[in-house]
Amino acid sequence: AQKVTQAQTEISVVEKEDVTLDCVYETRDTTYYLFWYKQPPSGELVFLIRRNSFDEQNEISGRYSWNFQKSTSSFNFTITASQVVDSAVYFCALSGASGSARQLTFGSGTQLTVLP
Amino acid sequence: SQTIHQWPATLVQPVGSPLSLECTVEGTSNPNLYWYRQAAGRGLQLLFYSVGIGQISSEVPQNLSASRPQDRQFILSSKKLLLSDSGFYLCAWGTGIFSGNTIYFGEGSWLTVV
Repeated sequence: AQKVTQAQTEISVVEKEDVTLDCVYETRDTTYYLFWYKQPPSGELVFLIRRNSFDEQNEISGRYSWNFQKSTSSFNFTITASQVVDSAVYFCALSGASGSARQLTFGSGTQLTVLP
Repeated sequence: SQTIHQWPATLVQPVGSPLSLECTVEGTSNPNLYWYRQAAGRGLQLLFYSVGIGQISSEVPQNLSASRPQDRQFILSSKKLLLSDSGFYLCAWGTGIFSGNTIYFGEGSWLTVV
């Protein structure tokens, strides 16, 4: 069975602070994919990144960076110099490689509030 | 580019009334289509997915049903709504049947059953 844990239910930071959102996953698959989605107050889930299990290189996209570590089964997301527009719920998700279209498992989400 | 639309955006329905939420995808063919529900507390629950016309897989037995009458159209229905059906419903699409293909979401529909 797959499982994604986002232990941080809510995080509040002041604008311009850096913030890291934690994601820990469990899977028996040797090939799998990890995702991050952003859900702003409007409700739509916005795709941010996908990572496959063979690529442990960290990725940076503007103020966003992701740290994938197989040794600790973690896929953490850092926002540098946070802005008010970053306020949203962020979901980490996991997809196994068993060939089924249904196997996307979401974490429970982290509510990030960036205060001005 | 591909786009996904779902409607209505907001719905308030009495208990026992029917439901129809519609979703269409543009700019791609033979997509995988999904219906998710997000109840209070933020958890995302997969309700149905479809890999082709008329092919529907149900993940959770419940008061809802789904249909795919056309390649890029996915409909979520209920004959009689329950209070517990309230929530935020998200349609999504992805390519191929293999995991790892990114899933993209629509704008969502807020359903309140009163």
